[in-house]
Formats: sequence, C-alpha cells, structure tokens
Amino acid sequence: NAGVMQNPRHLVRRRGQEARLRCSPMKGHSHVYWYRQLPEEGLKFMVYLQKENIIDESGMPKERFSAEFPKEGPSILRIQQVVRGDSAAYFCASSPEGPTGANVLTFGAGSRLTVL
Amino acid sequence: DQQVKQNSPSLSVQEGRISILNCDYTNSMFDYFLWYKKYPAEGPTFLISISSIKDKNEDGRFTVFLNKSAKHLSLHIVPSQPGDSAVYFCAASVIQGAQKLVFGQGTRLTINP
Repeated sequence: NAGVMQNPRHLVRRRGQEARLRCSPMKGHSHVYWYRQLPEEGLKFMVYLQKENIIDESGMPKERFSAEFPKEGPSILRIQQVVRGDSAAYFCASSPEGPTGANVLTFGAGSRLTVL
Repeated sequence: DQQVKQNSPSLSVQEGRISILNCDYTNSMFDYFLWYKKYPAEGPTFLISISSIKDKNEDGRFTVFLNKSAKHLSLHIVPSQPGDSAVYFCAASVIQGAQKLVFGQGTRLTINP
C-alpha cells in the first residue's frame, strides 16, 4: 500500500495521558499536513510540515499540541495531558510539492482518539 | 466562524437520477474549491476541483459549478450509482495558502436502488 499510512487507527487514552499519532507520507511526498475532525464537523487544518521544518502551525492549539517531521521516520502529532475535548479523528495528508491550488492533498485513513 | 457551509447534512437520491450537493462560502478571498468524498473508516479522497477563474469543471459523471457572485458551488453527479453513497465535503482555499483547506461539515449522500 503506497498511500498515506497512519497509526494507530484507534487510540484510547485517559485524561492527563499523552497521545502520539504517527503518519508516513506517500512515497515521494515530502510535505505533510495534519487536520482534525471533531464530531459532526468538517476537517480543520492544524499544521503543515516539511522535513525538519514546521511551515505553518496556525491551526494548532497553543498548548499541549506539537508536531514534528524528522529527517528520518514518520511525522508525529503529540498531544500532552489529553482532555475529553481532544477526542476526534486526526487525519494526515501529504503532497509531493508545496501547497498550491493544483496540488491535491492525499489523505490517510485517520487516527481516532478517544479520551476517557 | 463557519467560512464554508454545507447546509444539508444528508441527501437521498434514487439510483440513476442526478445528485446535487450544495456548498456556500463567505470568504471572498477563496480562489480554489475542491470536493472530497469520504467512506466510513477511510480518509477523504479527492474528487474534483475548480479555480475561481472558471464557472464549471467536468470530469466524467461529476461536474462542479461555481457562482462567485453568490459565493456558491455545487457538485452534480449524474447518473448516481450505489457506490456514490458516501459523505461529501466541500473545501476551499487561497491558492497561495492551499495547505489550509477550509472544509464544510459534509453531506451524507445515500443512493437508493
């Protein structure tokens, strides 16, 4: 499967724990995006990264959330001290080049986080 | 502040008929619009797009219409097939900021045999 791979697909955490979501972009793609979908809502942009660089994190909550895309390995979205409001589906997308209108994002299947 | 709105949470259409999904936006800076389709337990899949310099784009059974003066776009599927049953998301962006797609809430389309 050469698509965008996300794991885990489902993650359950208790309030106060940490959640780590991983995303491996499509082969040949060096641009990664994270989106969050809360229940009954559309996807909302969180962060855009290239290898070792955060390009745009304007959609990230100011506290507890961080993202990285190291030189080697997958992109990681990290949520510290999770709260019930963090329960959502987190989607990763990738593209081969920078984001322009003609450059369609390819999404992974998502990671569903449930906070008890 | 919901900049992209899909006011119909669900739509039911008979197989073979036309499905019309609607989307409204408020931000006049948007200049690129996309439709994504999503099956349960899968990620959104790109369907069709249109830039603001056009008012229509067609790809097989799928046509997107853009009315800039009304800030409205629609997706037409004809003829509708059972495999089209899915949630459809409208999305918009500024071309130079296309990492920030702004999505609508989605419309669940059900095609009845």
